[in-house]
Amino acid sequence: AQKVTQAQTEISVVEKEDVTLDCVYETRDTTYYLFWYKQPPSGELVFLIRRNSFDEQNEISGRYSWNFQKSTSSFNFTITASQVVDSAVYFCALSAPNTGNQFYFGTGTSLTVIP
Amino acid sequence: DTAVSQTPKYLVTQMGNDKSIKCEQNLGHDTMYWYKQDSKKFLKIMFSYNNKELIINETVPNRFSPKSPDKAHLNLHINSLELGDSAVYFCASSQTDGYTYEQYFGPGTRLTVT
Repeated sequence: AQKVTQAQTEISVVEKEDVTLDCVYETRDTTYYLFWYKQPPSGELVFLIRRNSFDEQNEISGRYSWNFQKSTSSFNFTITASQVVDSAVYFCALSAPNTGNQFYFGTGTSLTVIP
Repeated sequence: DTAVSQTPKYLVTQMGNDKSIKCEQNLGHDTMYWYKQDSKKFLKIMFSYNNKELIINETVPNRFSPKSPDKAHLNLHINSLELGDSAVYFCASSQTDGYTYEQYFGPGTRLTVT
């Protein structure tokens, strides 16, 4: 069975602090994909990143970086020098071709950046 | 151009009514989805259609019926609405030609049943 756990329900940081959002996943598939989505207060779901199980390279995009570690089944997301606009709910998701490409979302982490 | 669009954005109705939500994508994707997001922000897949064929049908009351007239459209019809149906419903689309790609979501439809 596929499962994604985001243990941090809510996080508050002061602007310019770094923050890491944790994501732990469970799957028996060898081929799978991991995703992060952002849901700002306006409500839309914005795709941030897709990573496949064969690519463990970390990725950096501006202030955002992702750390994929198969050994610990984790795909953590770090925001450097956080800004108020980063305030949102962040979802981690897992999908695998063997399960019809269905997305399994975590319960989300609500991040509040305090000015 | 809006990639995935949904109408209406807000829907307020009374218990027992029947309502529909429409979804269209102009990304040329072959798969479309409906999700329900409850008040605690939990996202749950409801249905998935690939090239107009139903491929995922989670445990959803049969009052919910998806309809896909073509691969760019996936509508959701809900009969005999109940209070518990109040939620935000998201449509999404993706390409699934042997790989798993990201899903692109519509803006959501906030359904309130009174």
